[in-house]
Amino acid sequence: DTAVSQTPKYLVTQMGNDKSIKCEQNLGHDTMYWYKQDSKKFLKIMFSYNNKELIINETVPNRFSPKSPDKAHLNLHINSLELGDSAVYFCASSQDANEQFFGPGTRLTVL
Amino acid sequence: GENVEQHPSTLSVQEGDSAVIKCTYSDSASNYFPWYKQELGKRPQLIIDIRSNVGEKKDQRIAVTLNKTAKHFSLHITETQPEDSAVYFCAAWGAGSYQLTFGKGTKLSVIP
Repeated sequence: DTAVSQTPKYLVTQMGNDKSIKCEQNLGHDTMYWYKQDSKKFLKIMFSYNNKELIINETVPNRFSPKSPDKAHLNLHINSLELGDSAVYFCASSQDANEQFFGPGTRLTVL
Repeated sequence: GENVEQHPSTLSVQEGDSAVIKCTYSDSASNYFPWYKQELGKRPQLIIDIRSNVGEKKDQRIAVTLNKTAKHFSLHITETQPEDSAVYFCAAWGAGSYQLTFGKGTKLSVIP
């Protein structure tokens, strides 16, 4: 069984477009996250949702908007894509201060 | 907020040798310290973790040590094998923060 899944796996798009990435976890965790991993492999937290409430927003541009319809899903919508948005985006989930389980990642390429 | 420093950024060892990666953290209230391994093109996966009430933890060839006073923790891999080649991340969970802060990663290369 897949614990944390995300779609799509690859996303290639033009500058200025709007795109969404979906994430689902079947672990029953209360907290879900979005991370951005750039070409230098740094893992940067973007958002955290605990029981559908946003609890962290790490100074991410407001072109990025997370949406959580329920505690098993955390989607990421990006408006007006820029070249610098190209990266791998990972969704993750955890139950409090315990192991975070990561999704397989979405490689976003903005042309 | 929490700040995690990780060293070295790259590490090459001969197969069979030991590898040590070190991290420091800034928030003395942090209480959970996981280590993640990320193979090329894959997701980060937990390999070992330690909590603030424990000084050392071992799992086969992997061990982690924690010095709360000095606010640093280390990953030790013994008898390295080529399949240990990957990027390793340390992280710290700030108490009450609902957030893991990651170090910048160490690329470990094990030379056969």
